[in-house]
Order: sequence, then C-alpha cells, then structure tokens
Amino acid sequence: QKEVEQNSGPLSVPEGAIASLNCTYSDRGSQSFFWYRQYSGKSPELIMSIYSNGDKEDGRFTAQLNKASQYVSLLIRDSQPSDSATYLCAAASGNTPLVFGKGTRLSVIA
Amino acid sequence: DARVTQTPRHKVTEMGQEVTMRCQPILGHNTVFWYRQTMMQGLELLAYFRNRAPLDDSGMPKDRFSAEMPDATLATLKIQPSEPRDSAVYFCASVRGSYNEQFFGPGTRLTVL
Repeated sequence: QKEVEQNSGPLSVPEGAIASLNCTYSDRGSQSFFWYRQYSGKSPELIMSIYSNGDKEDGRFTAQLNKASQYVSLLIRDSQPSDSATYLCAAASGNTPLVFGKGTRLSVIA
Repeated sequence: DARVTQTPRHKVTEMGQEVTMRCQPILGHNTVFWYRQTMMQGLELLAYFRNRAPLDDSGMPKDRFSAEMPDATLATLKIQPSEPRDSAVYFCASVRGSYNEQFFGPGTRLTVL
C-alpha cells in the first residue's frame, strides 16, 4: 500500500526563523511530489511541486527531493504568523492519483 | 480567476436522509476527484473521473455512496442513506491532463445527526 508519512506536529517556530517540514513516501515509483497548505476550515492550496532530485525555490519556499532516501522536505524561510497552517505532502507515480500524508501542523509564534 | 466550485458549503441532515453534493470543475479540466477529510483519517480519495468516465471508486462505501459526472461541468456525490459516521468535509478537485497538480474546491462540510 502506497503511503506518505508526515509528523503531525505541531511544529512551533518563532517568527523569522526557518520552518522545516519533512515527508517520506513508500512507493519507489513515485515521480511527482507536491506540498499543499491548508488553513483551518479551508481547502488545500498547492504551493510547491517538485519532480527531480535537488532543490526548487519559489520565494520563501524551498522544496527538496531525495529519491534515493524517499524523502521530501519543505523549507519556509523568514516564517510569518500567516504561514501557520497544516502542510500536506503528496506523491504520485505515473497517472495514478496523488497519495496524501495526514499533514504537519505548523505554528509560527510572533 | 478560475476556481472549482462546490455546493452546498454546509449541510446538516438527519441520519437516513439523502445528501447530494455538487462540484463544478475548472473549465477545461478533464479529471475530477472526490475526497473526504476527517481529523482521524486525513484526506481520503473516494472516487475520480477522467473525461467524465469513472476510473476508480474503490474508496467509496458502495452500498450508500454514488458518484456521477452527468456532463463536463458537473460532478455529483450522493449519500443515501446518510449516517453519522459520514460527517466530514467533502472536497472536489480538478486537474487538466495528468493527475498531478490538483486544484481543490472550498468543500462541503457535512454533519449527519
């Protein structure tokens, strides 16, 4: 069974610090990886996608992928209270639907 | 600004009643997913369609849930009869082409008393 594992948190970081969110996946055939942000009472919002090993940066966000270790991470630099949300990691292989983790709750303390 | 829309946004009903949830995918998106989210289980895939054809509904309780896509602009999820354990937020998501970058609707929060 394909699984995506995340630490449920909460992960608490002070404002301005780097938040590091981690995710592991079980299916070695996974080819595409995504990070979604979900505010309380809202729907998941896609914030990052990554398809190849290494880092991908977009503003304050950096996604990191290591396929050998089956590990995906999301770094949020200069964390803001508005970044407080649940972050969902998802993985897919080929044309199969995304497999979501249960999410990590991030709390940025002002 | 293209968005997935869902109706109703909130639904409170009594056990045994029929519930129908509707989703309008983003125009041009040919794959539609139905998810259920609870605190305990997280986001669960219930069913999905591509070009209106059902591809997989193995995540749905078959005896009470049904999903259809009568046309390219409408997907429906029906529960009959509803039970308290069906209380959750139901999300619809759509994607163009591959199964990858999904865009979620605002969800329907269902409470079955």
